[in-house]
Amino acid sequence: DAGVIQSPRHEVTEMGQEVTLRCKPISGHNSLFWYRQTMMRGLELLIYFNNNVPIDDSGMPEDRFSAKMPNASFSTLKIQPSEPRDSAVYFCASSLGPGGEQFFGPGTRLTVL
Amino acid sequence: GEDVEQSLFLSVREGDSSVINCTYTDSSSTYLYWYKQEPGAGLQLLTYIFSNMDMKQDQRLTVLLNKKDKHLSLRIADTQTGDSAIYFCAEGASNDYKLSFGAGTTVTVRA
Repeated sequence: DAGVIQSPRHEVTEMGQEVTLRCKPISGHNSLFWYRQTMMRGLELLIYFNNNVPIDDSGMPEDRFSAKMPNASFSTLKIQPSEPRDSAVYFCASSLGPGGEQFFGPGTRLTVL
Repeated sequence: GEDVEQSLFLSVREGDSSVINCTYTDSSSTYLYWYKQEPGAGLQLLTYIFSNMDMKQDQRLTVLLNKKDKHLSLRIADTQTGDSAIYFCAEGASNDYKLSFGAGTTVTVRA
């Protein structure tokens, strides 16, 4: 398997623009997680899905953030409008079951100018 | 998930052993993980231990679990420059899809 795939790897945008991050989980995994990593706040769980259904979005910082998982092989994290404080590395991870190992993607480094 | 705490920094001389410590609070933890994050990369699973085990050894890595004190440690023998990274401990429970991650320990290996 290719592992968790994220795109783009790097994104530079201007404040106010819409940003869409994409993730393809490992085939057969039924849980998908979106994380954000910054120097100041470390690794934060934003939202996670189980069987394509959002289970816990309490980590989503504001209404500007939204996430979808239309099918088992694809998820998006959207920021609209983006702000400089959204600059971070965003990771997607997937896992097979409760408490199980999470497999992380390489991350998307987002810079909002 | 519950709180997972780790020290933030560790500096170690090349060839020495590194010991990274972690404490957790969730008594229902079933799995405990150590992840490694190299610069510019995602987190990769290094090793794990089931909560019913006390110790696990895998080549240069030794994981010790004190379930009574909810203390987990990772020992890296003969630390090499390639071991410089951020190490995260995480705990998972059989009734929760989430993992709880610590803040990560930045290990710097000096010559």
